[in-house]
Amino acid sequence: KAGVTQTPRYLIKTRGQQVTLSCSPISGHRSVSWYQQTPGQGLQFLFEYFSETQRNKGNFPGRFSGRQFSNSRSEMNVSTLELGDSALYLCASSLVGQNNGYTFGSGTRLTVV
Amino acid sequence: KQEVTQIPAALSVPEGENLVLNCSFTDSAIYNLQWFRQDPGKGLTSLLLIQSSQREQTSGRLNASLDKSSGRSTLYIAASQPGDSATYLCAVPYAGGTSYGKLTFGQGTILTVHP
Repeated sequence: KAGVTQTPRYLIKTRGQQVTLSCSPISGHRSVSWYQQTPGQGLQFLFEYFSETQRNKGNFPGRFSGRQFSNSRSEMNVSTLELGDSALYLCASSLVGQNNGYTFGSGTRLTVV
Repeated sequence: KQEVTQIPAALSVPEGENLVLNCSFTDSAIYNLQWFRQDPGKGLTSLLLIQSSQREQTSGRLNASLDKSSGRSTLYIAASQPGDSATYLCAVPYAGGTSYGKLTFGQGTILTVHP
């Protein structure tokens, strides 16, 4: 059974550029969540998608956006990159229902220079 | 607002020791609690998921307990090995509202097991 797949694994971007990260959930998992992990702030929730709809959103500026496709794959986009956006971006997928656990991908390491 | 605290922040032990990692949360309205392991620069690997109605879960050398009323969970690692060296994170989904997809994490315990 394939796990959560995130692409690309590494990215280097310049300030002001935009970036798109991709996440393919485990087959049958329809909920996809995104997190940002930095040494100073730890793991912070970005947003969650289910059935192509954003159901929950964390406290991040509007430069951070996402979407989900009909096959449950999700993308997140960061526009006008800032140095502080350098982080490990993780996505997690879950079955529907609050009693289910989450499975995380290996992450995308974004470096903004 | 849910807050999760993990103690200790770091732990260094010799191989073979049994050890306990602690996790506390401020709001007991949780559906479950999940323990993860993270190797440097990697994603999170789920270790154990305890439902709010359960007291403990076991997987191999790992045993996690949950005391929902006191807001505490412990992860017990038996006969530690150098391969157990990693950061251990606990996380809870907040049941007090529409917390879809949102886990609140502790800051983690960095475990080093030396030969």
